[in-house]
Amino acid sequence: EVQMVESGGGLVKPGGSLRLSCAASGFSFRGAWMSWVRQAPGKGLEWVARIRSKIDGETTDYGAPVKGRFSISRDDSKDKLYLQMNSLKTEDTAVYYCATEGLASQNNWGQGTLVTVSA
Amino acid sequence: AIQLTQSPSSLSASVGDRVTITCRASQVISNYLAWYQHKPGKGPKLLIYYVSSLESGVPSRFSGSGSGTDFTLTISSLQPEDFATYYCQLFNNDAYTFGQGTKLESK
Repeated sequence: EVQMVESGGGLVKPGGSLRLSCAASGFSFRGAWMSWVRQAPGKGLEWVARIRSKIDGETTDYGAPVKGRFSISRDDSKDKLYLQMNSLKTEDTAVYYCATEGLASQNNWGQGTLVTVSA
Repeated sequence: AIQLTQSPSSLSASVGDRVTITCRASQVISNYLAWYQHKPGKGPKLLIYYVSSLESGVPSRFSGSGSGTDFTLTISSLQPEDFATYYCQLFNNDAYTFGQGTKLESK
C-alpha cells in the first residue's frame, strides 16, 4: 500500500525556518517525482514545489509565493522527501501535504502536517 | 498566469442527484486538467486526470469532460460519501494551479 507520512510541522515565528519530512513506503520512491501542496486555514489547495527523480535530473520547480525561500529535496536511501522553509511569513501557515506525481497530477497523498507561523 | 474559476463555489444536493461542477480557465489550456475530492482531515484524492481519464479505483459515477477553456466534473448519482470539496487543477509550464474549490453539501 502506498503511504506517505508527513512530519516536522509546528509553531514558528515570522522570519524563522522549519524543515518538513515525508516518509514514503509501498512504492519505488527513487523512481517517483514528488510534490508538496499546502492548504491555508479556510482556503483552497496551493501547489508548493516538485522534484523529479534522480534519473530525471532531480530538478525542481516552485510556486511563485515560495520561490527563493523554500527548497525541496529528497534522500532516496531513506525514502524521504523534504521541504526546507526559510524566511517564513504568516501567510505560510497551512497544512502541508506531500504527494506522488502521476500524469500531470498528484495521485497519492499523505495526511498532512500543520505549520503555524505566528509571533 | 492562467487562472481557474470553479462554479458554483458551493452546492447543496441530495443522494441520488446528478451533480455538475464547472471549471473555467482564463485562456485556452491543454488537456492537463485534473479533478480532486478533499475531505476534512484527509489528503486530497485524485479522481480524474487528462480531463476525462478516471483514476484507478475511482467509482464510474465520476466523469470529466471539456476542452478549450471550459471543463466539467459530473457525479451521475450522488452517494453519501461524495459530500466533500472538489478542486480542478491545471498543469502548465512546469507548475500547477488549483481552482478555488466547490463545497458539495447535503441538502
